[in-house]
Amino acid sequence: QLVVTQSPSASASLGASVKLTCTLSSGHNNYAIAWHQQRPARGPRFLMRLNSDGSHTKGDGIPERFSGSSSGADRYLTISSLQSEDEADYFCQTWTTGTLVFGGGTTLTVL
Amino acid sequence: QVQVQESGPGLVKSSETLSLTCTVSGGSISSSLHYWGWIRQSPGKGLEWIGSIYYSGKTYHNESLKSRVTISVDTSKSQFSLKLNFLTAADTAVYYCARHSGFVTGLLGPVDIWGQGTMVNVSS
Repeated sequence: QLVVTQSPSASASLGASVKLTCTLSSGHNNYAIAWHQQRPARGPRFLMRLNSDGSHTKGDGIPERFSGSSSGADRYLTISSLQSEDEADYFCQTWTTGTLVFGGGTTLTVL
Repeated sequence: QVQVQESGPGLVKSSETLSLTCTVSGGSISSSLHYWGWIRQSPGKGLEWIGSIYYSGKTYHNESLKSRVTISVDTSKSQFSLKLNFLTAADTAVYYCARHSGFVTGLLGPVDIWGQGTMVNVSS
């Protein structure tokens, strides 16, 4: 069964970098994912599509501070030069034939 | 650029049917490279995919909701719709419509456009 798992929370200091992780279930190491950002009381926003080889395609207007990488079943979202506006929930999403799957989300706190 | 916007009632009664419509603007709902989907988020919870539709009318659904869900498309109005019946309090959520990649074969893809969401409360 296709599942993506995220840690519930993360924190980092203003101006620092943070790396969030999304882990694909066993047997799905070659799957791509998408990262989405949801600021408080807002709808989600597409950040990027991230492939198993680490290549990624960002959505319109997404700052260069946001980047993605991959290793095995893990997909990463790195945010550098953290700003207060980056405090949000971050969801990963994957897919297969006939199904979309979302992770539980990681709440990022900017200290 | 393409935008999607949900519309529908904010309050519905338990055991009744929820009807929501999503209007697509700035692009064609008849794109061969995209599906149009419904996703919901219960208060304080994560995102749950409900189902998606291709412009031809081909649909896919979350198995956990499949028996209660109907998704339809009206290409002449650039709209697609969700009906969810036999509502309970557990259906209280923000409902989002969205665009995601996909092919006629059924291989779906990433959501790249989200609506603002509409809050639906189910009352007893």
